Amino acid sequence: GQNIDQPTEMTATEGAIVQINCTYQTSGFNGLFWYQQHAGEAPTFLSYNVLDGLEEKGRFSSFLSRSKGYSYLLLKELQMKDSASYLCAVFPGDYKLSFGAGTTVTVRA
Amino acid sequence: DTGVSQNPRHKITKRGQNVTFRCDPISEHNRLYWYRQTLGQGPEFLTYFQNEAQLEKSRLLSDRFSAERPKGSFSTLEIQRTEQGDSAMYLCASPPKSGELFFGEGSRLTVL
Repeated sequence: GQNIDQPTEMTATEGAIVQINCTYQTSGFNGLFWYQQHAGEAPTFLSYNVLDGLEEKGRFSSFLSRSKGYSYLLLKELQMKDSASYLCAVFPGDYKLSFGAGTTVTVRA
Repeated sequence: DTGVSQNPRHKITKRGQNVTFRCDPISEHNRLYWYRQTLGQGPEFLTYFQNEAQLEKSRLLSDRFSAERPKGSFSTLEIQRTEQGDSAMYLCASPPKSGELFFGEGSRLTVL
């Protein structure tokens, strides 16, 4: 089975930085994804890491350490529209993504 | 817009009725996935197709669930004799050869 853990909720202030951690124990590893999901909508792709290190894409960055089974998603210069659920997902290599339960981020003015 | 379309977007039904959802994936993508998501949880894998062949089914997919992809294009997910526990968002996803899943907008089912 796959075990993917991330915090349930986080709150931050507009303009601040938030880091969402994800730890995983999976039967294999062929990449880790982060998705954003607004309430009532489908998940949308944010980032993909397959090698160790930091991937930066605008205000969002994602980090991976395969030896530690650990990733984080960093959201900078938070905006109100960033209030959403953030899903960590691992691709073990068996053709399907396994998702964590998601972290609900609330951005306050 | 990911190019994956699903319908209906919302379905309210009474317990015991049958429902069917349709997914039209990105045309050049051979694989198609169905996931289910309940409130406060991440999407859970149900089944996937490579062209018209259904290659894997989760144990979440009871005998009341059936999925088809008759010509390797669109797919349908049917739930027979619906139960209240079937209430969820049903997501279809279509990936390129490697990489992220592109999700459709989902079909939200409410069983009364």
